[in-house]
Amino acid sequence: TQLLEQSPQFLSIQEGENLTVYCNSSSVFSSLQWYRQEPGEGPVLLVTVVTGGEVKKLKRLTFQFGDARKDSSLHITAAQPGDTGLYLCAGGDQGGKLIFGQGTELSVKP
Amino acid sequence: AAGVIQSPRHLIKEKRETATLKCYPIPRHDTVYWYQQGPGQDPQFLISFYEKMQSDKGSIPDRFSAQQFSDYHSELNMSSLELGDSALYFCASSPILLTPNYGYTFGSGTRLTVV
Repeated sequence: TQLLEQSPQFLSIQEGENLTVYCNSSSVFSSLQWYRQEPGEGPVLLVTVVTGGEVKKLKRLTFQFGDARKDSSLHITAAQPGDTGLYLCAGGDQGGKLIFGQGTELSVKP
Repeated sequence: AAGVIQSPRHLIKEKRETATLKCYPIPRHDTVYWYQQGPGQDPQFLISFYEKMQSDKGSIPDRFSAQQFSDYHSELNMSSLELGDSALYFCASSPILLTPNYGYTFGSGTRLTVV
């Protein structure tokens, strides 16, 4: 069974600080996706990383896929209150379905 | 741009009743996935369809069934509802099966409450 361990589960920081969220597994995934979810809404895709060692940047967000395609990280620079939300990593298996991590609840205080 | 449409947004049912959830994928997306998300939980995969055929099955109870129709919309049928079925049910669509390199577009979900 493929599992994704996401950490930390909760993170409360001040505006302007940097943070990193980690997503680890003992399994290899075809791709790793990061989503953001607002309460009562569906997850919204932020990025998909496919190649081992790949790095993608989305404004203040930097996503990395581990060389062995077993882990990924999300780094946010100079966090803002608008970044507050639930961040989910999800691994894609060969069959196409996603296996989600437990999520990281981020709170950025002004 | 068109998104994944789910209906209804909210549904309240009593125990042992039946519920039907509907999902309309993005046009030209041929694959549909259903996920269940309990309170404070991450989404759990239920079932998926590709070109109107079931393509994969996850932790879906036998009381649940689903199908994809000729217009690619999908319905999740839930019978003999239990209190533990209360959750957010999401549908996601993607254009290609077996290529998880593509991200998925999720609908806004149906919040099912069983009382």
